[in-house]
Amino acid sequence: KQEVTQIPAALSVPEGENLVLNCSFTDSAIYNLQWFRQDPGKGLTSLLLIQSSQREQTSGRLNASLDKSSGRSTLYIAASQPGDSATYLCAAINNAGNMLTFGGGTRLMVKP
Amino acid sequence: ETGVTQSPTHLIKTRGQQVTLRCSSQSGHNTVSWYQQALGQGPQFIFQYYREEENGRGNFPPRFSGLQFPNYSSELNVNALELDDSALYLCASSGGTRGRQETQYFGPGTRLLVL
Repeated sequence: KQEVTQIPAALSVPEGENLVLNCSFTDSAIYNLQWFRQDPGKGLTSLLLIQSSQREQTSGRLNASLDKSSGRSTLYIAASQPGDSATYLCAAINNAGNMLTFGGGTRLMVKP
Repeated sequence: ETGVTQSPTHLIKTRGQQVTLRCSSQSGHNTVSWYQQALGQGPQFIFQYYREEENGRGNFPPRFSGLQFPNYSSELNVNALELDDSALYLCASSGGTRGRQETQYFGPGTRLLVL
């Protein structure tokens, strides 16, 4: 059974800092790894999807890496802004692509 | 292209009642997945429907049931509601085949409160 863990559970940083969010998964037989953003009481917004054959994906100030052999993914946020404050979730997608297993999320607060 | 929509946005029920939540999939998608997100936790997979048939189920009891219609919209039904069923229910739509699904796109969710 796949288990996904995110560390830290919460993070507070001053504006402008670069930061790294961590995600680990127990079963390396994944299809894809996806990072989401969730604002309070809202649905999920997809940020980046890394296919199992890839090692990283970039979108603007976001960069996500994937190391299947060690069961780890990281989300790097450059030059953080108060608008980045949200919960960030990672999800491992099984080989059939029909099930996402989510971590518990990292609650990020960026202070002006 | 329309996105994934869910109704209602909020719902309050009492313990023992039954509830039906609805999801309209994104145009061109043939699959709907349902997730339950308790407060402060990550979403948990309930089940997926592909072309009107169940295509995978998570660790949820039989009182959680679903349905997918020919237009690929879907319903989630929960019988005999319990206090722990209070959560945000998310649906996601995707394309692909039974054995290999494509990226899932999430709706805004339905917030269910059971008193």
